[in-house]
Amino acid sequence: DIVMTQTPSSQAVSAGEKVTMSCKSSQSLLYSENKKNYLAWYQQKPGQSPKLLISWASTRESGVPDRFIGSGSGTDFTLTISSVQAEDLAVYYCEQYYDTPFTFGSGTKLEIK
Amino acid sequence: EVQLVESGGGLVQPGRSLKLSCLASGFTFSNYGMNWIRQAPGKGLEWVASISSSSSYIYYADTVKGRFTISRDNAKNTLYLQMTSLRSEDTALYYCASTYYGPLDYWGQGVMVTVSS
Repeated sequence: DIVMTQTPSSQAVSAGEKVTMSCKSSQSLLYSENKKNYLAWYQQKPGQSPKLLISWASTRESGVPDRFIGSGSGTDFTLTISSVQAEDLAVYYCEQYYDTPFTFGSGTKLEIK
Repeated sequence: EVQLVESGGGLVQPGRSLKLSCLASGFTFSNYGMNWIRQAPGKGLEWVASISSSSSYIYYADTVKGRFTISRDNAKNTLYLQMTSLRSEDTALYYCASTYYGPLDYWGQGVMVTVSS
């Protein structure tokens, strides 16, 4: 199974600050045939279902603010929020869909100071 | 508007069975793969099972293989999860989620399953 490791487990930042969180996979998520990374980021706000933010490691979903930036390739990935807003309070999960069993990281909880 | 509405959850004794449903609307259900993902109270997300658009491909997590069965009825726009031999560790909020090309693009609101005597 592909193990997904997210760090940090929690982070507290002030509104307007930049935040980065990491997601590392135990094997490469880069499929050589199409040069795509099979990595997604989800946002789960308190009491809500997860929401897809970014697919293919760096493709922002429609309607997702451009302050959310996904980057990385292979085994190392990053989600950056360029200027955190109060409504970004949530747990952020990465997920690999390269192979079954699909696996999630344990999440990074973002708190607003 | 895409909607996924789960139902069928509740309190069940260990060893018993339960069947979850997920009614889809707002998109062409028969074109999408579907998934069940669960979240134990206060914990992270765990993928449970996936089924392709035509039911040709089905996959399970090892933790549920042999006990859970995923199925779908495209005529009814409905996804199912038949759960048998339930254990306390199956207690979780169960989400259904669609996938068109890989990631889980839409999620339902979830249905709670509690396994306890």
